[in-house]
Amino acid sequence: QQQVKQSPQSLIVQKGGISIINCAYENTAFDYFPWYQQFPGKGPALLIAIRPDVSEKKEGRFTISFNKSAKQFSLHIMDSQPGDSATYFCAAGDSSYKLIFGSGTRLLVRP
Amino acid sequence: NAGVTQTPKFRVLKTGQSMTLLCAQDMNHEYMYWYRQDPGMGLRLIHYSVGEGTTAKGEVPDGYNVSRLKKQNFLLGLESAAPSQTSVYFCASSYRDSILEEYGYTFGSGTRLTVV
Repeated sequence: QQQVKQSPQSLIVQKGGISIINCAYENTAFDYFPWYQQFPGKGPALLIAIRPDVSEKKEGRFTISFNKSAKQFSLHIMDSQPGDSATYFCAAGDSSYKLIFGSGTRLLVRP
Repeated sequence: NAGVTQTPKFRVLKTGQSMTLLCAQDMNHEYMYWYRQDPGMGLRLIHYSVGEGTTAKGEVPDGYNVSRLKKQNFLLGLESAAPSQTSVYFCASSYRDSILEEYGYTFGSGTRLTVV
């Protein structure tokens, strides 16, 4: 049973466009929702994170939107660049100190 | 400042062989984790530890054992490797900052394991 569902599996966006990746969760005990970025041959690295008491968080071109009632959150990448081409993972964590990850989205930004 | 170091980086095993993957962190983090990454499956938690001498099962613990005898090290063992354990294994360590409310996960660069 997948606790965190992520879509789409892959995404192709033109340079300058907006990339949108969505995640949904079931466990209402989750209280921390990060997004990770992974380049080939590397480990995932934290990109941005949000807590459920905030509906939106923005850091540069990256924005998390959070809908607590729908138990959904999404990552928006504005002005997408070829250097953003990577695999993105959403995750959710609770007081047990561990993160549960989504299945990942492979993003390709075309020049 | 090495962060999280995993050894080895690559390994090929025959079915039934055993091996140990080593994870070492130099950030004095309390929590450590082992994940496996498979295409279309994301990162799945195998085992984790919330402190020296403690371990707990994650989402997919079967066929693996772990030990955390020292705070900085977290070992993942495969007693009798199976082809289904072919994967990329990632170790991570973290803190939980009660002020920033961040988990502070840092991942290693992974171990690519093939079981033939």
